[in-house]
Amino acid sequence: DTEVTQTPKHLVMGMTNKKSLKCEQHMGHRAMYWYKQKAKKPPELMFVYSYEKLSINESVPSRFSPECPNSSLLNLHLHALQPEDSALYLCASSPPVGRRGNEQFFGPGTRLTVL
Amino acid sequence: AQSVAQPEDQVNVAEGNPLTVKCTYSVSGNPYLFWYVQYPNRGLQFLLKYITGDNLVKGSYGFEAEFNKSQTSFHLKKPSALVSDSALYFCAGHPSTGGFKTIFGAGTRLFVKA
Repeated sequence: DTEVTQTPKHLVMGMTNKKSLKCEQHMGHRAMYWYKQKAKKPPELMFVYSYEKLSINESVPSRFSPECPNSSLLNLHLHALQPEDSALYLCASSPPVGRRGNEQFFGPGTRLTVL
Repeated sequence: AQSVAQPEDQVNVAEGNPLTVKCTYSVSGNPYLFWYVQYPNRGLQFLLKYITGDNLVKGSYGFEAEFNKSQTSFHLKKPSALVSDSALYFCAGHPSTGGFKTIFGAGTRLFVKA
């Protein structure tokens, strides 16, 4: 299985809602990433987990809360978002930390709209 | 500061003609370099990478890229473009010194006309 899956594909939420994005991979990758991508722009790194521990937080607002329950799953909990948070949220994974120069495998993304 | 530059917002080419999408980098050490492609409303797909060794790297779907250290470039090429190659292409770099952060270029939209 060489796939990263993300659910849901689309999400519309109000500014007071709480929702979660889910990501799953079964490639044995031990690094997992959340990116935010605006239209026609490159992905912006938000968080990196390495061996289920948070390794990088790119100064992301606390209304975004990541969670890595196990080596295959990555969640992004959303609360009190703003309209400017509307974007495509991409999950990615890559092989174990000790092997450098490895490409990332991206999921199809969740298209988030905040009203 | 480390960076990856894609000087062209859009590249237009006729089907059957060769295509080139340009990328230059400023990444410390001996960088690892990548090309990704993104189709509308999809995630990024890996095309090819340069780690070390032969400067000409071959990848998926007939794409190749040439690493040029003196010009700090890593241009993506294909001998004969297809309409289905039309997409958004990202060049990316990663320092060989480690870490998780990949530096993405701004992206180049490739439009192949039938």
